[in-house]
Amino acid sequence: KNQVEQSPQSLIILEGKNCTLQCNYTVSPFSNLRWYKQDTGRGPVSLTIMTFSENTKSNGRYTATLDADTKQSSLHITASQLSDSASYICVVSAYSSASKIIFGSGTRLSIRP
Amino acid sequence: NAGVTQTPKFRVLKTGQSMTLLCAQDMNHEYMYWYRQDPGMGLRLIHYSVGEGTTAKGEVPDGYNVSRLKKQNFLLGLESAAPSQTSVYFCASSYPMIGTGGTYEQYFGPGTRLTVT
Repeated sequence: KNQVEQSPQSLIILEGKNCTLQCNYTVSPFSNLRWYKQDTGRGPVSLTIMTFSENTKSNGRYTATLDADTKQSSLHITASQLSDSASYICVVSAYSSASKIIFGSGTRLSIRP
Repeated sequence: NAGVTQTPKFRVLKTGQSMTLLCAQDMNHEYMYWYRQDPGMGLRLIHYSVGEGTTAKGEVPDGYNVSRLKKQNFLLGLESAAPSQTSVYFCASSYPMIGTGGTYEQYFGPGTRLTVT
């Protein structure tokens, strides 16, 4: 069964600290993995996208890693800011299928001043 | 560009009522999707379309119908609303990413919050 599992479900950190969010998946055949940021009351917005051959991708203070062998990904946030408070969603797509896009349930990140 | 827009933003229905949610995109994307998002769960695909005049069922299609009469619009209809359809509905559109074996970059609308009482 195609699944995407994220951990932790929620996380609270102090402003300025770093954090790492985890994503494990079993989607096959694997095509790409994306991390989205979803602010409260808004639609998801893409942060990074990685294909099978990529093992790291950065977008400002966000760095995603992918280990296709162990089917794990992480999203590292450096020097967190209050605006980073949001849900972070891991999304895995299957090869050549517009419908087989599996969403994780997200990690709710709260940044405290 | 407005990107992906959805109307309405909020709606309250009584059980048994019907309504249509409208999604519009101005990026000339071929693919469009309707998802629902419920607490503690990932987004789930209701229906999708790979081009004007075509639609297909997703993971949770029961109780919903869709139409794609124009490339830029994708309509989601609830024929007889039920409390189980209380959710936040997101529309998305996408284009195939060249050289990535069919990877699709999706762009989402702001969502419609629907409550069925």
